[in-house]
Amino acid sequence: AQSVSQHNHHVILSEAASLELGCNYSYGGTVNLFWYVQYPGQHLQLLLKYFSGDPLVKGIKGFEAEFIKSKFSFNLRKPSVQWSDTAEYFCAVCRTSGTYKYIFGTGTRLKVLA
Amino acid sequence: EAGVTQFPSHSVIEKGQTVTLRCDPISGHDNLYWYRRVMGKEIKFLLHFVKESKQDESGMPNNRFLAERTGGTYSTLKVQPAELEDSGVYFCASSPVGYNSPLHFGNGTRLTVT
Repeated sequence: AQSVSQHNHHVILSEAASLELGCNYSYGGTVNLFWYVQYPGQHLQLLLKYFSGDPLVKGIKGFEAEFIKSKFSFNLRKPSVQWSDTAEYFCAVCRTSGTYKYIFGTGTRLKVLA
Repeated sequence: EAGVTQFPSHSVIEKGQTVTLRCDPISGHDNLYWYRRVMGKEIKFLLHFVKESKQDESGMPNNRFLAERTGGTYSTLKVQPAELEDSGVYFCASSPVGYNSPLHFGNGTRLTVT
């Protein structure tokens, strides 16, 4: 069965520190990959997505993610975090055939200290 | 455009009672998904509608859960009778037809069964 693993459940960083959140998925076929973010009190919103092409994708607010097919990974990065990045981050995978079921990871709660 | 709307935002019921959650997707979105998140765990897929048809209901926990999407517009998720383990946040998401569009989420309904 499809699954998504996020390795870090809680991350605490100081402002200006670099961020990398891990995401691995298990599915051998073609997938679309997503990172969603949920800021406190808000709904989940799309941060970035990968469908095809350049494996390094850029999203909003300076975030980027790299798809490494051989490692089934889609790690999220940001060179310098801000206090406003405090949120919960979810990796998600959707197959491109069959039923278009999005599978989410457990989420990573990021706290950025001012 | 108006976003995905969920009602109620919170619901506290006693074990054995019935609760109905409602989701109004973005107008024109054929795909409608229900997800549930139990505290600290992944956002777990429940089911997927395409218009009024259930495309995939493999995530529905048991027959106490009934989802409908009459006319392909809004959807309801009824839990009857509710059990303690049904507590969690229920998210609805919608997207246009196909798999190349990210999901748009509602704010969720926090259900507490006591």
